[in-house]
Order: sequence, then structure tokens, then C-alpha cells
Amino acid sequence: QSALTQPASLSGSPGQWITISCSGTSSDIGGYNYVSWYQQHPGKAPKLMIYDVSNRPSGVSSRFSGSKSGNTASLTISGLQAEDEADYYCSSFTRSNTRVFGTGTKVTVL
Amino acid sequence: EVRLVESGGGQVQPGGSLRLSCAASGFEFSGYSMNWVRQAPGKGLEWVSYIRSSSSIIYYAESVRGRFTISRDNAKNSLYLQMNSLRDEDTAIYYCARDLDGYWGFDSWGQGTLVTVSS
Repeated sequence: QSALTQPASLSGSPGQWITISCSGTSSDIGGYNYVSWYQQHPGKAPKLMIYDVSNRPSGVSSRFSGSKSGNTASLTISGLQAEDEADYYCSSFTRSNTRVFGTGTKVTVL
Repeated sequence: EVRLVESGGGQVQPGGSLRLSCAASGFEFSGYSMNWVRQAPGKGLEWVSYIRSSSSIIYYAESVRGRFTISRDNAKNSLYLQMNSLRDEDTAIYYCARDLDGYWGFDSWGQGTLVTVSS
């Protein structure tokens, strides 16, 4: 199972919005509504930001939203803030019942 | 408060073995499926293994199948990962992560334990 494909890096100014893409196949993202997104700050454990494609856990800012179209999932961060600077990973369930993560995207707030 | 604490990491030679543990507290451990996820230094996340709450279903990533064994002891609120035939590429921080109840995602993570495979 190959890793899902994400852009290596994205940047934006405070207040702007950015969208991180996560590209898979019909055997993972395209086949199930089982996509989640994680935020990881340096030296810290990952934090769940989105589950089941577009749902936010309690306590996660509404500035974070998720969606999916075909074999590609997306995470949008609106009203970018300094604390959003982190690495972001998508993850999907797969046809073989395994789980797979994306390659990761480093978000920089200019 | 949900708490997951990994232990058992360390340095081991290629071909060696190591057993990781994850102590859970603050929730009904026996009711949740669990996972191991690893992260090589400076690299991305890699899912390693999954175990159902009852241990009835287990899955592994292709990269560790046949070498790693996941298990759990619900009476001790503990998750384990037995790692054999270790390779250089197994060097990573190993996290235990809880499945979100009834939905898809890993909602709680430990702080991780570092495994270094080196001669």
C-alpha cells in the first residue's frame, strides 16, 4: 500500500485560507468515506483534526474543514493563524483493511 | 482524562527483538480498538498494526507482517508490540493510538517511544 500523495509544503499569510490535497485511489480514499486528518507540531504527537471526511472532534476550531471528491480528499484551513503552522497528514482506510497515511504537508504561516 | 503511555523503546542491533508496551488509563480500554503508528526521524507517519477490542481481528502493514506481533491484555489495560528481526528501517518513534469509537480516525495518541536499530 503506497502512501497517499500530499504536497510537501504550503504557505499562507495570517487570515488567508489554504487547502491541502490528499490523493489516493479507488482502493482507499475513493472507496470509503473513511478519511481523517492530523496536525503535528514539532516534537509532539499527532492530533486528530477531522474524522469521517468532514467531521470535527470536539474542541477543534471551525476554521478546519474537510471534504472529498472522487479519489482526492482535502483539508481547508480558513483564517490562517500562527498556531496553525505545523505538519498535516491525511489518512484513509483501505480495501485490504489496513490504514494508510499521506506523505505529509508542512504548512508555513508567513 | 485519556492517557496512553508507551515504553520499551531503546537501541537494538539489526536482527534483534524488542517489545513495546502502551499503558492506557482514563477510559474503558476493553471497549476500544487500538493501533501502532510509527514515524522515522524527520519522516512522515506510517501505520503499523491494528487490533480489535476483543483481539479477534488483527491487521499489519506489509512492511512488518511476519516480523511484528500486536497483542493486548484488557485486564491490564495494556497494548503490546513484539518486534522481531528488526531492520535499520524500523528505526522510528512508535506511537500507540486509539480508534475513535464508532467513527474512523485515531483520536488519542501517546507521546511515543523511540526505537533505534543500529549496530
